[in-house]
Amino acid sequence: GAVVSQHPSRVICKSGTSVKIECRSLDFQATTMFWYRQFPKKSLMLMATSNEGSKATYEQGVEKDKFLINHASLTLSTLTVTSAHPEDSSFYICSARVGILGDYNEQFFGPGTRLTVL
Amino acid sequence: GQNIDQPTEMTATEGAIVQINCTYQTSGFNGLFWYQQHAGEAPTFLSYNVLDGLEEKGRFSSFLSRSKGYSYLLLKELQMKDSASYLCAVMDSNYQLIWGAGTKLIIKP
Repeated sequence: GAVVSQHPSRVICKSGTSVKIECRSLDFQATTMFWYRQFPKKSLMLMATSNEGSKATYEQGVEKDKFLINHASLTLSTLTVTSAHPEDSSFYICSARVGILGDYNEQFFGPGTRLTVL
Repeated sequence: GQNIDQPTEMTATEGAIVQINCTYQTSGFNGLFWYQQHAGEAPTFLSYNVLDGLEEKGRFSSFLSRSKGYSYLLLKELQMKDSASYLCAVMDSNYQLIWGAGTKLIIKP
């Protein structure tokens, strides 16, 4: 089946530093990748939709300059949390959608990255 | 606006059957997904319904009624490992997933 990896799985950083999270589709090409954020006991919150070779589309209320997304290839998207603050601490999850939209539009999720900002 | 409703928490007994309901109001419909999420982990796919009716997959079944904006996930022969959150998500006309808040299922021996 389709596998999505995320790295790192867990990161602790100091306030003011930047953190990069990688999302890779291992055995398929993902034209679209999604970045979600999840707070404890809450549902997934879509942050942005990333298409290969073009700028990401951010959801309302998500700061583009703070959460930099790069979708450099069909198998890699990165999320950089710039100048991280404690309120950015959260569980970040990426997902990837296979190819062209069709009858079956499943998203495959990465294992998530737990970010803690001290 | 778009809205997905599902119960916050449910409790069931090991070996029993439980039904988790989901109602939705979205701009367009391109299918409904059920995901399982264990604490601290990413969601894993359970089922996808785009036509009315029941889809059975082992111990898990999912039902959809598009006219009623309603779905349920049925879990049979419950096992302790089924303790998790179950997320209902609807794909709208823009092929965006709209997520419910999830139902935390607690299984008791």
